[in-house]
Amino acid sequence: HLQLQESGPGLVKPSETLSLTCTVSGGSIRGPDYYWAWIRQPPGRGLEWIGNIYFSGTTYFSPSLKSRLAVSVDTSKNYFSLNLASVTAADTAMYYCARRGVATDSSFDLWGRGTLVTVSS
Amino acid sequence: SYVLTQPPSVSVAPGKTARITCGGNNIESKSVHWYQQKPGQAPVLVIYYDRDRPSGIPERFSGSNSGNTATLTISRVEAGDEADYFCQVWDNSSDHPWVFGGGTKLTVL
Repeated sequence: HLQLQESGPGLVKPSETLSLTCTVSGGSIRGPDYYWAWIRQPPGRGLEWIGNIYFSGTTYFSPSLKSRLAVSVDTSKNYFSLNLASVTAADTAMYYCARRGVATDSSFDLWGRGTLVTVSS
Repeated sequence: SYVLTQPPSVSVAPGKTARITCGGNNIESKSVHWYQQKPGQAPVLVIYYDRDRPSGIPERFSGSNSGNTATLTISRVEAGDEADYFCQVWDNSSDHPWVFGGGTKLTVL
């Protein structure tokens, strides 16, 4: 069955770029029925949607992060990536990748285990 | 942007029924999804499109949506149901359309 796995550095210095990858296994990222998403959760707080990407490369980003955010997809290697520039302590969070149905009001029906990213010097 | 309001905490005795609410302006016009998150784990979808259950989710979990309130109901609550629960909608009038509620901590007494 399909699984998602986040990977990347657990510690990033302020003002640097946070880079994460979500590897999709057990199925193809090219499936036409799904978008792929990044969601984060600061310690002790709620969930915040970051952005979505389709296998074609179509993206939609949170307006509050858009100026610092890049999300890409590599269909040959079955993964998608997140790059968040100029990070601050406010970007410290558990970062999850997730799958969402192609309908805009679909749920996030499958999640990775998450990876904790701390922004600190 | 659209705001979803959840009570911070709900407590219930084992075997009883827990009701977790999610308030939003005219939320009945939107599709509501519910996620369960146990400590140290990723969220798991427990209810989608207001009232549908993914395979593997017990029938004890049900959902409803009316007026300005959506509700997740957990019948015959078990100790293993203790978790944080988040509601989520898509708001087509917002530039931040995928919105989560603040979460509710369900405590099983």
